[in-house]
Amino acid sequence: KQEVTQIPAALSVPEGENLVLNCSFTDSAIYNLQWFRQDPGKGLTSLLLIQSSQREQTSGRLNASLDKSSGRSTLYIAASQPGDSATYLCAATGFQKLVFGTGTRLLVSP
Amino acid sequence: DAGVIQSPRHEVTEMGQEVTLRCKPISGHDYLFWYRQTMMRGLELLIYFNNNVPIDDSGMPEDRFSAKMPNASFSTLKIQPSEPRDSAVYFCASSQRLAGSQETQYFGPGTRLLVL
Repeated sequence: KQEVTQIPAALSVPEGENLVLNCSFTDSAIYNLQWFRQDPGKGLTSLLLIQSSQREQTSGRLNASLDKSSGRSTLYIAASQPGDSATYLCAATGFQKLVFGTGTRLLVSP
Repeated sequence: DAGVIQSPRHEVTEMGQEVTLRCKPISGHDYLFWYRQTMMRGLELLIYFNNNVPIDDSGMPEDRFSAKMPNASFSTLKIQPSEPRDSAVYFCASSQRLAGSQETQYFGPGTRLLVL
């Protein structure tokens, strides 16, 4: 059974800092790894999707990497802004299902 | 497109009452998913449909939970009778192709359920 873990559970940084969020998964037989953002009281928004054959994906200030052999993914946020404050969830896509981590709650203070 | 629409956004009910949550997926999406999110267990898949047919309901916690999709634009998740431990945020999501391809899932804003 796939298990997905995210550390840290919460992170507080001053504006402008570069930061890394970590995601680990137990079953490397995944189709892709996705990173979502969740704002309070709202649904999830897909940020990046890394297919199992890829090593990384980039979108603006966001960069996600995937190492299937070690069961790890990281989300790198460059030059963080207060608007980046949200909960970030990773999800491992196996056969027919997304398995989510419990998320990292990020607070970027001005 | 308006995205995935869920109603109600908030629901407060008493233990033992029937609760019905509603979802309208994005037009043209063949797959619909129901998730539950709690602090303790995170985001869990309850059930998903393909072309209105339930494919996997192994995540449905108990017989008190049931889900239907009578047509391509509407689905319901019903809890009868409700219990305090059902309190959670329930999300509906839809996608054009099953997770495992390049497609992602699009989530609704969720229904926050509180059972007293």
